[in-house]
This record gives sequence, C-alpha cells and structure tokens, in this order.
Amino acid sequence: EVQLVESGGGVVRPGGSLRLSCAASGFTFDDYGMSWVRQGPGEGLEWVSGINWNGGSTGYADSVKGRFTISRDNAKNSLYLQMNSLRAEDTALYHCARVASGSYCDYWGQGTLVTVSS
Amino acid sequence: QSALTQPASVSGSPGQSITISCTGTSSDVGGYNYVSWYQQHPGKAPKLMIYDVSKRPSGVSNRFSGSKSGNTASLTISGLQAEDEADYYCCSYAGDSTFVFGGGTKLTVL
Repeated sequence: EVQLVESGGGVVRPGGSLRLSCAASGFTFDDYGMSWVRQGPGEGLEWVSGINWNGGSTGYADSVKGRFTISRDNAKNSLYLQMNSLRAEDTALYHCARVASGSYCDYWGQGTLVTVSS
Repeated sequence: QSALTQPASVSGSPGQSITISCTGTSSDVGGYNYVSWYQQHPGKAPKLMIYDVSKRPSGVSNRFSGSKSGNTASLTISGLQAEDEADYYCCSYAGDSTFVFGGGTKLTVL
C-alpha cells in the first residue's frame, strides 16, 4: 500500500525557516517524481514544487521561487521542502504527492500544517 | 503561472449530468495532454479522478469522464450521486517541470 506521511510543520514567525519531510513507503521511491502541493485555509490547491526521480530536475511556483528548495534522499525514501523567508501567505496545509509518468499526482499524503504568524 | 480558470460552483440533481470547465492557455492546458482532475471532500486529501485529459484510474467510476478542446479542459460527471458532492480541481503541466491548478469548483448535488 502506497503511503506518504508528511512531518515538520508548525508555527513560525515571518522571515523564519522550516523544513518539511515526507516519508514514502509501499512503492519503489526512485521510480517516481514527487511534488509538494499546499492548500491555504479555505482556499484551493496550489502546486508548490516538484522534483524528478533522481533530483536532477526541479520546478517551483513563482510564489516560492528563490525561497523554497525541494530535495530528495532516495536511500531514505524521503522528500524534503526547505522553506526560508516565510511569509504569512505561506500558511497552509502542505501535501506531498507522488507524480506518475511526469504528468499527474496519483497518491497524496494527508499533509502537515504550516502557520506563519507573529 | 496564473491559476487555471474554473467556475466557482456548479450544481445538479441526482441522476443528471454536469460539466466543469477548466480554461488555461497554450502554455499549459493547450500545450500538453497532461490535464488531471481531483476530487476533494472536506477534510480529506485530494483524490485523482482523471489523468492525461481523459484516462480514468482503476477504481474510479466510469461516470467520470474528461476531454479537452484547445485551451479548455472539461470534466463531466454523469448520473450524479450524493457522494459526488465535493470540490473538484483541474491541474495541468505547464512546462519546465511545473504544474498549475485551477481555483476549484464546488459541486452541489441538489
């Protein structure tokens, strides 16, 4: 059974940093790309960042480019999101998702909540 | 990277059919056959319903179908059922390893 479990969320002050993790199991992790997708309170889904199977290709939404860094450790079956210079508008539930065939998210985690507030 | 445009809400009675549109540009929806649709019930993680414009994952009812014409993709749900009431989001590949979601559509089953 495919499982994606996020962790690392919490409350942080504006300008602060946080590192999210996503532990994957139930599939061959390095066969797939991965993405982070967030959902602000009462808002829609927003794609944040993605990475291919070996970390050689990454992409970012304009809203986080230059502040967030996605990475993965295939030996640990883990995905990460380093978030710096956090803003109030980054407050959201952050989901990690498996990307199949480079074109869609077929499995999602339940998410980890990030709150940016002074 | 502008969000794809979806209607904020649609509604239909049980047994009827509804269609949700998703309009982008030639840089996303119109440029790739990589449109996917997700269903989200309150407090739950999104669920994949359609991928690559019109393909249905195993286990998803054949009442759900997808299509695309130009820069607009569509999700059609036929034979509406009460459990279809949820938020629906489209998503498209947008080049350079990026994706973009639509703003979401709230489906109400009357």
